[in-house]
Amino acid sequence: KNEVEQSPQNLTAQEGEFITINCSYSVGISALHWLQQHPGGGIVSLFMLSSGKKKHGRLIATINIQEKHSSLHITASHPRDSAVYICAAQPVIQGAQKLVFGQGTRLTINP
Amino acid sequence: DTGVSQNPRHKITKRGQNVTFRCDPISEHNRLYWYRQTLGQGPEFLTYFQNEAQLEKSRLLSDRFSAERPKGSFSTLEIQRTEQGDSAMYLCASSLAQRFMEAFFGQGTRLTVV
Repeated sequence: KNEVEQSPQNLTAQEGEFITINCSYSVGISALHWLQQHPGGGIVSLFMLSSGKKKHGRLIATINIQEKHSSLHITASHPRDSAVYICAAQPVIQGAQKLVFGQGTRLTINP
Repeated sequence: DTGVSQNPRHKITKRGQNVTFRCDPISEHNRLYWYRQTLGQGPEFLTYFQNEAQLEKSRLLSDRFSAERPKGSFSTLEIQRTEQGDSAMYLCASSLAQRFMEAFFGQGTRLTVV
């Protein structure tokens, strides 16, 4: 079992729908990241969370440390949101020097 | 562009050949990371440097792989005697040591071994 698990692996929705991507992790963490990867491969950091909730535009990220679970929400989704969304944990046990990644969620928003 | 830069963006090579990739981090970042991402998977850690010192290597980094950061600025990742299983996206990221959780990623180098 991977230390960081995402669901769903693939998600297709219509423009305007509310999107939720989930991330569960099994290790103690000092922070959790949500990243966006476009088809060209480059990765952009969306959020870094250690507790609570963060919002940026139409994106909202939440984390529940006790339940070891985080969610990324997209409101009023748009085709340009189509990308792979990856959560990555910064483990405490492993010295917190590197990220452990989930397998990614491929999101497709149809017009 | 002052972000993390990787070259080349794409590389196709024949099995058995050697390849070298380059990463130029953000100039003031003293940490540099290499990750490998195979199709449909999230990135996996390979190695990282603080300045010119290579501080950690994953067991994924076989003896055919070598990474250097000779002057603490750019880094190279060399794969010798490439195998088809080496086909992947190789991602570089950089950060400040005191803010190592805030890593900035490059566009990646996509390697295809035929």
